[in-house]
Amino acid sequence: GAGVSQSPRYKVTKRGQDVTLRCDPISSHATLYWYQQALGQGPEFLTYFNYEAQPDKSGLPSDRFSAERPEGSISTLTIQRTEQRDSAMYRCASSLGGSETQYFGPGTRLLVL
Amino acid sequence: EDKVVQSPLSLVVHEGDTVTLNCSYEVTNFRSLLWYKQEKKAPTFLFMLTSSGIEKKSGRLSSILDKKELFSILNITATQTGDSAIYLCAVGATSGTYKYIFGTGTRLKVLA
Repeated sequence: GAGVSQSPRYKVTKRGQDVTLRCDPISSHATLYWYQQALGQGPEFLTYFNYEAQPDKSGLPSDRFSAERPEGSISTLTIQRTEQRDSAMYRCASSLGGSETQYFGPGTRLLVL
Repeated sequence: EDKVVQSPLSLVVHEGDTVTLNCSYEVTNFRSLLWYKQEKKAPTFLFMLTSSGIEKKSGRLSSILDKKELFSILNITATQTGDSAIYLCAVGATSGTYKYIFGTGTRLKVLA
């Protein structure tokens, strides 16, 4: 595609529910990143993929967070048993390779009530 | 622990002023430094710096990296109200991962 897309753009959920966020990277990009961005802060690294491999998931805050990229293109980020502190903007970015420039998607704003 | 610190946290200037934004870092095995501009939507890429002392320039924006003193600056000359944004700095390392560490950003407001 022309750019990185994410869906949904906004998600409101109740505490305890599971949510799944989707990222569609630029089609030729091998590397895909997930970030969490709180208001007034810079993006915080969660995890990244190189095609379908997930070399680094050190930034995932707890085992309630997981990510997949089964065919090396679209990725999903799932948060189980959501908590209010999970409320944030979740951003996806992709790059041609790990050492290349990252291009960001518009983000999904998650609000957990 | 790897970290990226940006300063100032916020800045208010008038149109036509020149601003210098700072990004200092401590990472093991530095690979590259990226600058982004974030308005209300997604961060948009400005520069990637990998070598010391080589200035990158795009219009009124320029940036340079000092790998000895572990910092980078982003200069904006003849500022315009459209430059108002949060400027983010991110640093990547080569320690077996391609993750990037972002600073908290500098919020720039340019007054007409």
